[in-house]
Amino acid sequence: QVQLQESGPGLVKPSETLSLTCAVSGYSITSGYHWGWIRQPPGKGLQWIGSISQSGTTDYTPSLESRVTISLDTSKNQFSLKLTSVTAADTAVYFCMRRVVRGVVEYWGQGILVTVSS
Amino acid sequence: EIVMTQSPATLSVSPGERATLSCRASQTVSNNLAWYQQIPGQAPRLLIYASSTRAAGVPARFSGSGSGTEFTLTISSLQSEDFAIYYCQQYHHWPPYTFGQGTKLEIK
Repeated sequence: QVQLQESGPGLVKPSETLSLTCAVSGYSITSGYHWGWIRQPPGKGLQWIGSISQSGTTDYTPSLESRVTISLDTSKNQFSLKLTSVTAADTAVYFCMRRVVRGVVEYWGQGILVTVSS
Repeated sequence: EIVMTQSPATLSVSPGERATLSCRASQTVSNNLAWYQQIPGQAPRLLIYASSTRAAGVPARFSGSGSGTEFTLTISSLQSEDFAIYYCQQYHHWPPYTFGQGTKLEIK
């Protein structure tokens, strides 16, 4: 059973960097698939952030591309998200995920609320 | 960017009845369309992909149809656990993959 679990600070100051980690159990991230992040502002819909393949190839949503980095930590079977220069508009629940066919998301983490505020 | 528009925003249906949810794409997405169910406070759950293929473990009362720009999710006989928010998502055009704004299915 594949399980994903997000971790990281729940509060980030404006202009700083948001950093989250997703620990994966039940599957080796180097064995296949793409791993990534989706976010959901409070009371709003879902926004695709980006993903990374098992070989390290990344793809990002253009509106966030200049500020986003997704990377793998194969030694810990986890992957991470960094979002720089955050503002209040980046306040959201951040979900880590595994996607299968193109953009179909098969597995989701439970989500972590990150609030951007001073 | 492909804009996905869902209707209605809120749908009120009685348990045991049929619910029909719609999703429209701003340009063709072929059959590269998925549906997700989200219970508030939880992560979304994949229901349907490739417009009409049920994901593993999804009950047969959920069915999807459509291609091109018009899609439908039908729940044939609503159970109490089906009252949730439903999102459609296109994965035909990248970047980016985009979601609809959601349809809230509530108990009538």
